[in-house]
Amino acid sequence: EPEVTQTPSHQVTQMGQEVILRCVPISNHLYFYWYRQILGQKVEFLVSFYNNEISEKSEIFDDQFSVERPDGSNFTLKIRSTKLEDSAMYFCASTQVGTSYNEQFFGPGTRLTVL
Amino acid sequence: AQSVTQPDIHITVSEGASLELRCNYSYGATPYLFWYVQSPGQGLQLLLKYFSGDTLVQGIKGFEAEFKRSQSSFNLRKPSVHWSDAAEYFCAVGVRGGYQKVTFGIGTKLQVIP
Repeated sequence: EPEVTQTPSHQVTQMGQEVILRCVPISNHLYFYWYRQILGQKVEFLVSFYNNEISEKSEIFDDQFSVERPDGSNFTLKIRSTKLEDSAMYFCASTQVGTSYNEQFFGPGTRLTVL
Repeated sequence: AQSVTQPDIHITVSEGASLELRCNYSYGATPYLFWYVQSPGQGLQLLLKYFSGDTLVQGIKGFEAEFKRSQSSFNLRKPSVHWSDAAEYFCAVGVRGGYQKVTFGIGTKLQVIP
């Protein structure tokens, strides 16, 4: 069964450093998402992306964040200058376009630790 | 905007006992509804979903959930809990007619005692 994959599974970085989290959505999906879960808290929406542009973003998704689909398979989330409070699990999701149901398929997550 | 309430942050049940996890949503129309399970340090696994049709939906691992429009609820049930069911459970709501975000509840942590 096709699945969303994410790399790395765990990333440790120093405060102020840039990180790029990578996702490979399901191959025939065209709508992509990033969510974040701070330890012990609920999963929160960050951004959605379609047709090479941001479709929707939350107030969390400030100028420190950016997303990109650099090629036909990858979808990335970049944090330009990480802060301690960016430590969280980051989930990528994707969904088909053109169906009646918006079922988002989630990846296994990348745990980001900012020291 | 849609929202989800999971009133029970932590539930403890005995192995073999029945389980019901509560979920209430707020949305102006009939939403899409989901239950996810998350083991410690792991990702989100979809247990079941409701899109339309039969309001009682069956999922994996013996779970079921019932959509009750009049109560704006989508409670998750299992007749007999196993120790391996100990995890955190998230209810989530999606919006029809587009590809907007899914909104999650705060989660219910399930502890199973022998």
